[in-house]
Amino acid sequence: GAVVSQHPSWVICKSGTSVKIECRSLDFQATTMFWYRQFPKQSLMLMATSNEGSKATYEQGVEKDKFLINHASLTLSTLTVTSAHPEDSSFYICSARTGRSGNTIYFGEGSWLTVV
Amino acid sequence: GQNIDQPTEMTATEGAIVQINCTYQTSGFNGLFWYQQHAGEAPTFLSYNVLDGLEEKGRFSSFLSRSKGYSYLLLKELQMKDSASYLCAEVDSNYQLIWGAGTKLIIKP
Repeated sequence: GAVVSQHPSWVICKSGTSVKIECRSLDFQATTMFWYRQFPKQSLMLMATSNEGSKATYEQGVEKDKFLINHASLTLSTLTVTSAHPEDSSFYICSARTGRSGNTIYFGEGSWLTVV
Repeated sequence: GQNIDQPTEMTATEGAIVQINCTYQTSGFNGLFWYQQHAGEAPTFLSYNVLDGLEEKGRFSSFLSRSKGYSYLLLKELQMKDSASYLCAEVDSNYQLIWGAGTKLIIKP
């Protein structure tokens, strides 16, 4: 079946630095990719929807200048957490939609970010 | 609204098999996945199902029936380290995740 690869699985960064998380569709072209975030003991929340070649659509309350999303190709979307702070420590996960009939979506395995 | 139901707590014996069920509302379904979460730790991805059937991954298997709005996670050869909470989540028509409350699995020697 379709595979979505997310990298890195775990990352630790210093406060004030930026970190990039990649989401790749390995055997299909993803017209749309979604980014989610889950804080400890809370539910996973949709952050933004990105379509290839256009700007991402952010959910209410998500800072677009802090969470930069780039969907430059049909197989790659990146989420960059800029000027990270400890409160950005969270679990981030992406999903990709195939665009074929049924618009099936597939999830990456998630990335755990710790800002120290 | 969406409703995800799974048992609150289950107990099983080391070496045995346990099945954790999850039911959801079928409207606007876009996939379902299972996570394992140990207390105080980040959730760990276990599986996702978008098509009907059983997917096996080592000791863990996940099953989905879209027509019945039903999924289960099957854990074989239980080990003490499998004691954790297991969460199922449905992706709805808006691509939002609707989470179950989680099933606390207790493994006894």
